[in-house]
Amino acid sequence: DVKVTQSSRYLVKRTGEKVFLECVQDMDHENMFWYRQDPGLGLRLIYFSYDVKMKEKGDIPEGYSVSREKKERFSLILESASTNQTSMYLCASKGVAGGNEQFFGPGTRLTVL
Amino acid sequence: AQSVTQLDSHVSVSEGTPVLLRCNYSSSYSPSLFWYVQHPNKGLQLLLKYTSAATLVKGINGFEAEFKKSETSFHLTKPSAHMSDAAEYFCVVRPPLGGYNKLIFGAGTRLAVHP
Repeated sequence: DVKVTQSSRYLVKRTGEKVFLECVQDMDHENMFWYRQDPGLGLRLIYFSYDVKMKEKGDIPEGYSVSREKKERFSLILESASTNQTSMYLCASKGVAGGNEQFFGPGTRLTVL
Repeated sequence: AQSVTQLDSHVSVSEGTPVLLRCNYSSSYSPSLFWYVQHPNKGLQLLLKYTSAATLVKGINGFEAEFKKSETSFHLTKPSAHMSDAAEYFCVVRPPLGGYNKLIFGAGTRLAVHP
């Protein structure tokens, strides 16, 4: 089974702090994604990566950056956290073959005070 | 532009009764469609997917969905609800034309199952 893990389940940070959210997948998938989930809005794509060191903006990239130095790891960075970035963050991965299914991690609930 | 609308934000049923979660999509072409489920404190899990094969799609845990192009709908059903079905459900569309694997999520429907 595909396993996608995220470094923290819960995280509390202060406004202005730099925040790193880590995601690791164990299926050698080429594609990795970061979403945020907010009530009534579903999931919205922040960034995705289709290869090592490659990235593309999603629908809501403002205030975020990403890093993919190794194929299995995709990091989301909040350069200066703000209260409106309080949310659930979900990471997903997907291989090139095997249909369109994305496999999701359990999520990180980030609170910015 | 493609979009997906889940018509109910909350659905409540009694255990053993049928479940209907409604989803409409807008797309100029036939998209790929998915239903994902999210149990409390868990990641999203794929329930089923439609990718232009049979219009009636069977998924895990007794769920199924029917693709109706004329109605632009992809409603999720289950004949008999179980307590363990209580979760949030997301209807998702993957546009047929896109430079990458973009998924568009509905706002979600929270299903409550009462004894």
